[in-house]
Amino acid sequence: DAGVIQSPRHEVTEMGQEVTLRCKPISGHNSLFWYRQTMMRGLELLIYFNNNVPIDDSGMPEDRFSAKMPNASFSTLKIQPSEPRDSAVYFCASSEGYGGAVYEQYFGPGTRLTVT
Amino acid sequence: GNSVTQMEGPVTLSEEAFLTINCTYTATGYPSLFWYVQYPGEGLQLLLKATKADDKGSNKGFEATYRKETTSFHLEKGSVQVSDSAVYFCALGISGGTSYGKLTFGQGTILTVHP
Repeated sequence: DAGVIQSPRHEVTEMGQEVTLRCKPISGHNSLFWYRQTMMRGLELLIYFNNNVPIDDSGMPEDRFSAKMPNASFSTLKIQPSEPRDSAVYFCASSEGYGGAVYEQYFGPGTRLTVT
Repeated sequence: GNSVTQMEGPVTLSEEAFLTINCTYTATGYPSLFWYVQYPGEGLQLLLKATKADDKGSNKGFEATYRKETTSFHLEKGSVQVSDSAVYFCALGISGGTSYGKLTFGQGTILTVHP
């Protein structure tokens, strides 16, 4: 199993540009989570999906952030327009996530975003 | 609501020292408890877990016991190595309802082990 795949691994962009981060979850997993990690705020849950449907997006910082999951094997997190304060490492994680049971989450390697 | 509180770091130890990283939780329902580890430049990975009171999770020389009476899940290792230098996260998940696998993470504790 290839694990959770994220791309790109590193992204450097200028303020105002659109940024799209991509994630491929582990096959068979039906919950997908997007996190942001910074030194100041630690690990923050931005949004999560179950069976491709957004369940909770209360962690999305503002309207500049949007996430989609068009099918079970692909999700995107988009920032438009980007700002320097968006600089962080963004992680995608997936888990089995059936109903009310508790499952381990598997994390991808992260995308390090730098907005100049 | 559900929350996890970890001891503040960073923690700095010499090789072969004893390690304890404290973790306490607040939860509605019956939580499962996890420790994740993040090595430099990598994503988080599961270190160990416990699903009910008095269970002990263990892996790679690390141990943690689920203590319901003190709502704690402290991480311990008898003799740390330089390679254990990483960030450690305590987390909980609640069964029942519609959690869909969501976990609540602590703020992380940075561990540095010197030779």
